[in-house]
Amino acid sequence: TAGITQAPTSQILAAGRSMTLRCTQDMRHNAMYWYRQDLGLGLRLIHYSNTAGTTGKGEVPDGYSVSRANTDDFPLTLASAVPSQTSVYFCASSATLAGGADTQYFGPGTRLTVL
Amino acid sequence: GQNIDQPTEMTATEGAIVQINCTYQTSGFNGLFWYQQHAGEAPTFLSYNVLDGLEEKGRFSSFLSRSKGYSYLLLKELQMKDSASYLCASVDSNYQLIWGAGTKLIIKP
Repeated sequence: TAGITQAPTSQILAAGRSMTLRCTQDMRHNAMYWYRQDLGLGLRLIHYSNTAGTTGKGEVPDGYSVSRANTDDFPLTLASAVPSQTSVYFCASSATLAGGADTQYFGPGTRLTVL
Repeated sequence: GQNIDQPTEMTATEGAIVQINCTYQTSGFNGLFWYQQHAGEAPTFLSYNVLDGLEEKGRFSSFLSRSKGYSYLLLKELQMKDSASYLCASVDSNYQLIWGAGTKLIIKP
């Protein structure tokens, strides 16, 4: 069972360029999330989606956008990357439709460096 | 504001017991998660507590006191593979997870 896959594994990106981080899950989970993890800080929620067709802003949404065209995919786009977006990005999913405290399952992460 | 506090780093000896504490202050409370994260890997689920008390799961146990805003993760019979970061996350009133920075646990032989 693949669970959640993310691509690419790592990327070096020039400042000002755009990039899409891909995330796919095969668990038919309704909810999906994007987090960034920085040294010394907890995971911070960027955007989330409770179900296909809906998205919401998390704690740190500026500079990022997401879409949820179907249940399985939840891409994260950086329109114009800045060095402060250097981080490890984790995609996660949970069964929850709306509300609830279901366990979140994480993808392997994408390590992004913006120069 | 919302805040999760846990120690930055702890050291313990193989075969011993270690307790990792977490205090939380969030807008609303719908439970508390503990996750394990090995270096360079994704967080993986360990436990979820929503009621007061101790829940045991093999070598790992998790405790919650809602009145004190306090939880701990207890690891027994430590093994070298337990060297990892342990993340505490509180579920707020909107069912979003508020994460602590994690406790890096170093196991020495």
